[in-house]
Order: sequence, then C-alpha cells, then structure tokens
Amino acid sequence: NAGVTQTPKFQVLKTGQSMTLQCAQDMNHEYMSWYRQDPGMGLRLIHYSVGAGITDQGEVPNGYNVSRSTTEDFPLRLLSAAPSQTSVYFCASKGQGKNIQYFGAGTRLSVL
Amino acid sequence: DAKTTQPTSMDCAEGRAANLPCNHSTISGNEYVYWYRQIHSQGPQYIIHGLKNNETNEMASLIITEDRKSSTLILPHATLRDTAVYYCIVRVEGTTDSWGKLQFGAGTQVVVTP
Repeated sequence: NAGVTQTPKFQVLKTGQSMTLQCAQDMNHEYMSWYRQDPGMGLRLIHYSVGAGITDQGEVPNGYNVSRSTTEDFPLRLLSAAPSQTSVYFCASKGQGKNIQYFGAGTRLSVL
Repeated sequence: DAKTTQPTSMDCAEGRAANLPCNHSTISGNEYVYWYRQIHSQGPQYIIHGLKNNETNEMASLIITEDRKSSTLILPHATLRDTAVYYCIVRVEGTTDSWGKLQFGAGTQVVVTP
C-alpha cells in the first residue's frame, strides 16, 4: 500500500516554463488537496477536490490549475512558472469522516 | 474555524514526557482538535484528535480541558525521532465545508535532546 505518491521529488524550472506536479493515492480516498510550504512557514492550501470531476480553490490558488478526472489522481499544473512559486508542494488525501489526512513526501520546486 | 495559539518552540530531554500546549479559546461545540506533526523535509503526519474526551493512541495522548478552550498533546517518552514541528488544528466536522481544509498555523518546533 503506497499511500500518497508525489512525483517528481525535485524540479528546477525557468521563469515562464510550465509543468505538472503529479499526485496519486491508492486508498480510494474521495478528498485530495494541494498545499505549498514556504521556508519557515506553515502549509497553505492551493486547491482541493472532494471527488472526481469536482475541484475548488483554496487559500492561494493563483497561478495553479487542477483537474480530477479519476479518484486516484490529482495533478497540479503551473502554466507559467514564476520565482514566487518556488516552494515545497505537498499533496494530501483523506476518506470520508474525520480529518485524518495522509500526505505525500513533497515536491521541491525551484523557479529561476 | 477557531484560531489556535501555540508556543513557538520548546525543548525536551530524551526519555522524558513532552507536553505541548494549545490554546483554542474560541472553539465551538462541533469543532474537533487535531494534532499533526512534520518532521524536517517530510510531509505532515496525523497524530491524534478529539472532541471533548481525553484520547490516547500508540503515538500520544490528548488532554482537552473541560471548557475545551485549551488542550495538551503529550508524548509520553520523547525520542530524538520526535523532533518536529507540531501543529494544533481545530476543525468542524459533519458538513460539506469540513471536507479536509486544514488550516495550518506556525506550530511548535519541538527539539528532543539527548
């Protein structure tokens, strides 16, 4: 049981480039979310999804797009990367009921 | 969701109990108290949660005051691997709005020393 898997672990982009951060979970969880964490700060919610075909914005959605075509996958897209998007990105999932969320190991992104 | 207040940092000797306080004086009746931790460079990890009764699991104990305005996470025998940032989060349950939007604050940096 892999849990929540994020790829890649590390990525360096140039300003203006696009990329997709992948997130997959094998626990059949309905809820998935993306957070970013900047140095010395807590996690901030970017986007979340309560099920396949349903997404919504979190606290800091600008510059990011998401889609949820399957229960298992929740990719995060950066259409035109900016240095301000340099951060560590975490994906999380949870099932119905209590707020016990399972987090991936993170993707460390640098935008030059 | 109710706001939480935690100390910025605390130290604990290995093998001793670590008591982490959290103030949530504006908590409402249907809000649960959750604790997560984040070991350096890893994703957050769920520890424990409770509504009004004290709770215990294999990782920790959670003590919630009778008026529910504060709580304490207890790591009974701290080890070096417990060095992490600990987050106290208050969340309502049972509504569509409660679908997992955890509000992380700055947390408490706990350093366990030999």
